[in-house]
Amino acid sequence: AQSVTQLGSHVSVSEGALVLLRCNYSSSVPPYLFWYVQYPNQGLQLLLKYTTGATLVKGINGFEAEFKKSETSFHLTKPSAHMSDAAEYFCAVSDRGPSYDKVIFGPGTSLSVIP
Amino acid sequence: DARVTQTPRHKVTEMGQEVTMRCQPILGHNTVFWYRQTMMQGLELLAYFRNRAPLDDSGMPKDRFSAEMPDATLATLKIQPSEPRDSAVYFCASGRSGRDGTYEQYFGPGTRLTVT
Repeated sequence: AQSVTQLGSHVSVSEGALVLLRCNYSSSVPPYLFWYVQYPNQGLQLLLKYTTGATLVKGINGFEAEFKKSETSFHLTKPSAHMSDAAEYFCAVSDRGPSYDKVIFGPGTSLSVIP
Repeated sequence: DARVTQTPRHKVTEMGQEVTMRCQPILGHNTVFWYRQTMMQGLELLAYFRNRAPLDDSGMPKDRFSAEMPDATLATLKIQPSEPRDSAVYFCASGRSGRDGTYEQYFGPGTRLTVT
């Protein structure tokens, strides 16, 4: 079964600093990969996704993620953190087979941005 | 702007009472998911439906939880009897396949349940 690990349940960065949130998946066949963001008291929103093709994926709010098959990773980055980026971030995967719509979420990483 | 709606947004109830949470998926979406979010367990998949048929409810405590889709515009999650450990935020999500073949989920705002 697919699984996702996110290194670091809490990450703090200074405003303007690089944001790096880590995600690794467990699958011999590259799955579909997603990053979702959850702001306080809200549901999850899709930030970006990887399907096929270009391994560097750009999403909303200046975020991007790079798929690295050799490392089974899909880390999320943003060059310069903004206060409004403080939220919970979830990495997620789904298979490319018949269960393509069953999305498995990681445990989440809480991002704090320090002024 | 189409959105998943959930009612009620907040529910406080006493242990032993029945709780019903409702979800209206986005029109045209063919899958519906129920998730539970707690600090300890994170985001747990409880059940999911495709074209109104239940596909997976292995994450749901069968003795007290039930999930149904009476029609394409309504999904329900019931807890009977409720217990304090059921206190959590319950999210509904609906989705459809994107043009690139991947699946995109859209989450509702959640129902915050407190069982005393």
